[in-house]
Amino acid sequence: GAVVSQHPSRVICKSGTSVKIECRSLDFQATTMFWYRQFPKQSLMLMATSNEGSKATYEQGVEKDKFLINHASLTLSTLTVTSAHPEDSSFYICSARDRGRGRYGYTFGSGTRLTVV
Amino acid sequence: GQQLNQSPQSMFIQEGEDVSMNCTSSSIFNTWLWYKQDPGEGPVLLIALYKAGELTSNGRLTAQFGITRKDSFLNISASIPSDVGIYFCAGEPPQGGSEKLVFGKGTKLTVNP
Repeated sequence: GAVVSQHPSRVICKSGTSVKIECRSLDFQATTMFWYRQFPKQSLMLMATSNEGSKATYEQGVEKDKFLINHASLTLSTLTVTSAHPEDSSFYICSARDRGRGRYGYTFGSGTRLTVV
Repeated sequence: GQQLNQSPQSMFIQEGEDVSMNCTSSSIFNTWLWYKQDPGEGPVLLIALYKAGELTSNGRLTAQFGITRKDSFLNISASIPSDVGIYFCAGEPPQGGSEKLVFGKGTKLTVNP
């Protein structure tokens, strides 16, 4: 149980275009999902907390107009990187918490490798 | 903000050896988690710790939640090649309701057959 599916796993896009990444909780409902960014050989950096039915909460220094988050249902959150530039190239990972598991059901997706050329 | 100091940064060991890594902080945490990340994948939860002093095992892995709530260690016994990867500790701060995790910088483990 507690599976989080992230799509796509890899995407290459041209500078100036927008890219949407999906994060789905497959067997549980998640009122809260989290989006992380990971640079090579570094730890996970929390970008924002996605809240179902309300606005996302962004961490300090993260541009909300650059990284649009939508959490329209209890099983889906999307991250859209708008007007992507090469410096946005990174590994993006989502996670969700399955409260129904009782203890700490904090599951990560398999990540999306974004390359902006 | 709160930070986790994870050490060592990297380890090179022979197959069959035991491994130990730890995380420390100047702040207390309510929960300690240990994850393993393979290249190009998301982190996978190995062990979760919920109470100060708790010692939990998962196969060859053992982790403990420090009694001061400011540290945790992870031990891997009799390492095998598939243990290769990056291990992260993560802690849940005591601030109510945020559910945000704080991550260590990771320990990269290399196991030589």
